[in-house]
Amino acid sequence: AQSVTQLDSQVPVFEEAPVELRCNYSSSVSVYLFWYVQYPNQGLQLLLKYLSGSTLVKGINGFEAEFNKSQTSFHLRKPSVHISDTAEYFCAVSVAYNTDKLIFGTGTRLQVFP
Amino acid sequence: DTAVSQTPKYLVTQMGNDKSIKCEQNLGHDTMYWYKQDSKKFLKIMFSYNNKELIINETVPNRFSPKSPDKAHLNLHINSLELGDSAVYFCASSLPPVNTQYFGPGTRLTVL
Repeated sequence: AQSVTQLDSQVPVFEEAPVELRCNYSSSVSVYLFWYVQYPNQGLQLLLKYLSGSTLVKGINGFEAEFNKSQTSFHLRKPSVHISDTAEYFCAVSVAYNTDKLIFGTGTRLQVFP
Repeated sequence: DTAVSQTPKYLVTQMGNDKSIKCEQNLGHDTMYWYKQDSKKFLKIMFSYNNKELIINETVPNRFSPKSPDKAHLNLHINSLELGDSAVYFCASSLPPVNTQYFGPGTRLTVL
C-alpha cells in the first residue's frame, strides 16, 4: 500500500523568504506524485505533478518540486513567497498503473507573514 | 466557466435526516470521485465512478450511496445522517491516461 507523510503541519514564513514544504512517500511500485493547494474555503487546485522524466517539476504560481527516488521524497519549493500563498498544501501519490486512487498526506499549512 | 461544480455549498441538517449533494463536470472526463475532508483537513477517497460504473468503494458506510445518472454527474445521497458525517465533501473528475484529478469547490455538511 502507498502512504504519504508531510512532516510539517505548519510552516510560518515571512514574505519574500524562500520556503520548502516536505513530502515523503512509501510505495513498492512506481508512483505518480502531486501537489495540490487549498485556499481558505475553496476546493483543491493542482500545483504540479511528477509522472516521469525530469525530476525537477515546475508548476503554477512559481512553485517547483523535485522527485528524489532514493529518498522517496517530493519536496515543494518556492524561492520567494507572497502573502497570497497562505494556504493548505497537500502532497498526494497514486500508483502509476492505478491512478484512480489518490492517497493524500495530512497537509501543511503555509502561513506567510508581512 | 465552471469545470467541476457542486451544490449546495453549505448544508446544515439534523441527525437522522436524508440529504443529497450534487456534482457536475463539464470537462468531458470519464471518471468522477467523492472525497471526505474531516475537521483536521485529512482527505480520503470515498467512491470512484468510471462511465457510470462504480470502481472504488472505500469501506464507506452503506448509508452513503453514490448515483451516476450519466458520466457528467455523480451525486451523493446520505441516509440517516450522523454527527460524524459532518465534514467537507469534495467531488472530483479525471481523464485517462494519467487521471489528474480536478476538484470541485466542496460542500460543507454540518449535522446538528
